[in-house]
Amino acid sequence: ETGVTQTPRHLVMGMTNKKSLKCEQHLGHNAMYWYKQSAKKPLELMFVYSLEERVENNSVPSRFSPECPNSSHLFLHLHTLQPEDSALYLCASSLAPGPAAAFFGQGTRLTVV
Amino acid sequence: AQSVTQLDSHVSVSEGTPVLLRCNYSSSYSPSLFWYVQHPNKGLQLLLKYTSAATLVKGINGFEAEFKKSETSFHLTKPSAHMSDAAEYFCVVSESGGTSYGKLTFGQGTILTVHP
Repeated sequence: ETGVTQTPRHLVMGMTNKKSLKCEQHLGHNAMYWYKQSAKKPLELMFVYSLEERVENNSVPSRFSPECPNSSHLFLHLHTLQPEDSALYLCASSLAPGPAAAFFGQGTRLTVV
Repeated sequence: AQSVTQLDSHVSVSEGTPVLLRCNYSSSYSPSLFWYVQHPNKGLQLLLKYTSAATLVKGINGFEAEFKKSETSFHLTKPSAHMSDAAEYFCVVSESGGTSYGKLTFGQGTILTVHP
């Protein structure tokens, strides 16, 4: 248990669906992240939020829309996804600013059909 | 810019023998380096971290890593493997300078198999 909780753990959605992934941490961290883990690829950073402000968008398609309403919660809204978006989506948090060890959630396994 | 290369995609050892997982990094600034472990269907767990203090870093579960600036390496070792060590291991770099906001760059991972 790392203190970072992601829901749901598994999600199957059609290409026309709209769904959201949720991440929650109560570690007092000020930075939160979304990562994508695909088979046979390194983890890819998608978004970084620092003090609830998006500070990095790593060339992610607009069908992925993050939201950080407060420093403890992070969402990833999904719409009109493609099958190649199927992956494990990991949320992480860390103290900010600067580099620090990140604590990861267990991930949401997303399958797009 | 920062990057990480894990030199072996798979490592196989027998239980009770030493483990060596190799990692080389590239960084424009003073790096922080981490090793994470991921067991099947689980999230990532931090094993250990180097942040410019002692170059030999001890982590959880008997793992340790040595930061060698001259070789730009941060290899992970354990004297004696246990069956529960079977997992995928990621070497990670984060730059201290610039506006990295704690951006982590991951290696491609090394799958460790432990045989009885």
